[in-house]
Amino acid sequence: AQTVTQSQPEMSVQEAETVTLSCTYDTSENNYYLFWYKQPPSRQMILVIRQEAYKQQNATENRFSVNFQKAAKSFSLKISDSQLGDTAMYFCAFMNRNQGGKLIFGQGTELSVKP
Amino acid sequence: DVKVTQSSRYLVKRTGEKVFLECVQDMDHENMFWYRQDPGLGLRLIYFSYDVKMKEKGDIPEGYSVSREKKERFSLILESASTNQTSMYLCASSPGQGMGGYTFGSGTRLTVV
Repeated sequence: AQTVTQSQPEMSVQEAETVTLSCTYDTSENNYYLFWYKQPPSRQMILVIRQEAYKQQNATENRFSVNFQKAAKSFSLKISDSQLGDTAMYFCAFMNRNQGGKLIFGQGTELSVKP
Repeated sequence: DVKVTQSSRYLVKRTGEKVFLECVQDMDHENMFWYRQDPGLGLRLIYFSYDVKMKEKGDIPEGYSVSREKKERFSLILESASTNQTSMYLCASSPGQGMGGYTFGSGTRLTVV
């Protein structure tokens, strides 16, 4: 069975600084996707970034980038130039492409961006 | 704007009641999912469906059932609500194999007293 672990329940960062959220996962599969989702206080889950396991290049979306270490089964999210609107719960998630569209989520990291 | 709509944002029910949580999507998505969100546990999959009248158990199906009579609607049923089912419930949908293209509802905060 696949598992996803986020070991940082809470983090804080000053506005305009950079922060990295950690995520590790366990799987014996080779064909999978990894994701970071954001859940602001409004509770609406938003996809932040997606990484396909067969791609070596780390995914980037504006201020958000990942460090994907396949051998180490690590998938961290870096947020550059943090903004107050980045305050949210962040979830790391795993999808085994051979098991349809099911997402397996980590425990979440609550990020606070301070002015 | 495409969306997944959950019928209630907050719900309070009594122990032993039968509870229906409704979810409707307007994107013609094949896949629909029900997750439960608890602090420190993240989101856990209760049930999912890849097609009308089809359902599959997720990781924590005990105490729940689902119904998908129409493609756009996926209902979660608590046959006899218990206090340990107090939680946030999130519905999501995705097209085909999904590939992470989930659209989530805004969640229903259920309290069982």
